[in-house]
Amino acid sequence: KQEVTQIPAALSVPEGENLVLNCSFTDSAIYNLQWFRQDPGKGLTSLLLIQSSQREQTSGRLNASLDKSSGRSTLYIAASQPGDSATYLCAVRPTGGFKTIFGAGTRLFVKA
Amino acid sequence: EAGVVQSPRYKIIEKKQPVAFWCNPISGHNTLYWYRQNLGQGPELLIRYENEEAVDDSQLPKDRFSAERLKGVDSTLKIQPAELGDSAVYLCASSLSDRKETQYFGPGTRLLVL
Repeated sequence: KQEVTQIPAALSVPEGENLVLNCSFTDSAIYNLQWFRQDPGKGLTSLLLIQSSQREQTSGRLNASLDKSSGRSTLYIAASQPGDSATYLCAVRPTGGFKTIFGAGTRLFVKA
Repeated sequence: EAGVVQSPRYKIIEKKQPVAFWCNPISGHNTLYWYRQNLGQGPELLIRYENEEAVDDSQLPKDRFSAERLKGVDSTLKIQPAELGDSAVYLCASSLSDRKETQYFGPGTRLLVL
């Protein structure tokens, strides 16, 4: 059974810091991995999607990497801003399955 | 382009009462998902539709939950009767096709059962 774990559960950093959020999954047979952002009281916004054949994806100040063999993904946020404060969730779609499995998220707070 | 629309945004009911949630996916999206998100956790899939067909409802508590997607567009999720443990955020998402990867989420309906 696929399980997704995100560490840390919460993180507080000063503005301007570079930071890394971690995601691990137990079964390397995945179709893709996706990072989402969720603001309080709102739905999820897709940030980056990495296919199983890819190693990383970049969008602006965000970079996500994928290491299937070790069951890990990282989301790197450069030069963090207070507007980055939100919960970040990673989700994997297992190969051959249709159910996306989500982690519990990392709650990020960037202090001005 | 309009995103996924859900209503109501908030709902407070007493236990044993029925409740219904409505979702309008992004135009042209064939796949529709209903998720439940408990506080401090990630979303969990309840049911997935391909057009009007429910192709994965293994996580839907069928004794009290029901869903429909008439004409393959809008969808309704119903709970009858509601229990205290049903308090959660119910999220709807859609995608062009199931294998088209990116899911677009609505703002969710926050349900509180008293």
